[in-house]
Amino acid sequence: GDSVTQMEGPVTLSEEAFLTINCTYTATGYPSLFWYVQYPGEGLQLLLKATKADDKGSNKGFEATYRKETTSFHLEKGSVQVSDSAVYFCALSHRNRDDKIIFGKGTRLHILP
Amino acid sequence: KAGVTQTPRYLIKTRGQQVTLSCSPISGHRSVSWYQQTPGQGLQFLFEYFSETQRNKGNFPGRFSGRQFSNSRSEMNVSTLELGDSALYLCASSLTGSNQPQHFGDGTRLSIL
Repeated sequence: GDSVTQMEGPVTLSEEAFLTINCTYTATGYPSLFWYVQYPGEGLQLLLKATKADDKGSNKGFEATYRKETTSFHLEKGSVQVSDSAVYFCALSHRNRDDKIIFGKGTRLHILP
Repeated sequence: KAGVTQTPRYLIKTRGQQVTLSCSPISGHRSVSWYQQTPGQGLQFLFEYFSETQRNKGNFPGRFSGRQFSNSRSEMNVSTLELGDSALYLCASSLTGSNQPQHFGDGTRLSIL
């Protein structure tokens, strides 16, 4: 079945460092890909999405490119802030199927001032 | 536009009791999904309701049940509570299905003593 694999956390970086959180997926067909973020004490929020190969999703300085050849959707940010400390979830879904979204296990990010 | 509202925010129960959690989706959203989040297992899908019918179901025992009302509000019930049911229970809504970008509530934190 479909699955999403994320890098294990926690990831600890200093403020203004470059961030990459790896995400790879296994799926039939052409799924849509998502990154969600969960801040402490809150539910998940959609951060960005991409619906087809080579699409780049972006929001709040974060970017991820849908790479079908490597089945990846890595999250990047050029300069992280303390306020980016959160748990990040990679996810996939099939728009034309009546199936649920598949989430990765999440990657906790700590940004040190 | 009001977001997804979950009540209560916190609950403390003892083993063997039962509990009912409530979720009010974003106005106009007809799909409501429930997730269990724990440090060990991450985010696990419980079930999805659409137009008062359960459309998708995760791998949880029958002690976990739900329903959806005609106004799309949903309730989740857990009977014969076990220590392992301690978790953050998240509700998410979307316009048409759990394969669409999900809008999450802030969750109900359930603690079993």
